[in-house]
Amino acid sequence: AQSVTQPDIHITVSEGASLELRCNYSYGATPYLFWYVQSPGQGLQLLLKYFSGDTLVQGIKGFEAEFKRSQSSFNLRKPSVHWSDAAEYFCAVGPGGGATNKLIFGTGTLLAVQP
Amino acid sequence: SAVISQKPSRDICQRGTSLTIQCQVDSQVTMMFWYRQQPGQSLTLIATANQGSEATYESGFVIDKFPISRPNLTFSTLTVSNMSPEDSSIYLCSVGTTANYGYTFGSGTRLTVV
Repeated sequence: AQSVTQPDIHITVSEGASLELRCNYSYGATPYLFWYVQSPGQGLQLLLKYFSGDTLVQGIKGFEAEFKRSQSSFNLRKPSVHWSDAAEYFCAVGPGGGATNKLIFGTGTLLAVQP
Repeated sequence: SAVISQKPSRDICQRGTSLTIQCQVDSQVTMMFWYRQQPGQSLTLIATANQGSEATYESGFVIDKFPISRPNLTFSTLTVSNMSPEDSSIYLCSVGTTANYGYTFGSGTRLTVV
């Protein structure tokens, strides 16, 4: 069955520290992978996406993610966290071939940033 | 990427009533989706809105409860019918485009049923 697992429900980091949010997926075919961020009371904003090619993907706001096929993972990283990064982060997987089908979302990781 | 306008942004409704949520896109898109995000939960797909035909519903969601319209390639509505407090959620419209293989989300409708 297709699924996305985000093992960490809640993470707290200090401002300026590095961040890694974990995402593991189960998908039968070649997946398209996404990371979204949701600030309180807001919709979802796309941080980055992976379809093919270079397995290290750069996104907005200084985020990057690395696709590791052997580990079925697509972890999100940021070298130095800012207080404005406090939000909920969702990993999602979709079918290859274009954005013509639903996304499957993980349960999300809530990030808190300490001053 | 496409820009989505979703209305209303929030509403408080009485149980037993219905609310229609609108999703307007600034360009023609093939696929439109409606998601529900219950409090503290992730997103769950309700249905895919198909232009010119009936929506395709996911398991656990039915047309009588969540009727959907898609009159053209830029607009869709989702109605939450006969509401109960369990329907209190954020409802999000999303569109998919093959041009850049992206999915864009509206800002959501925060619904509270009392």
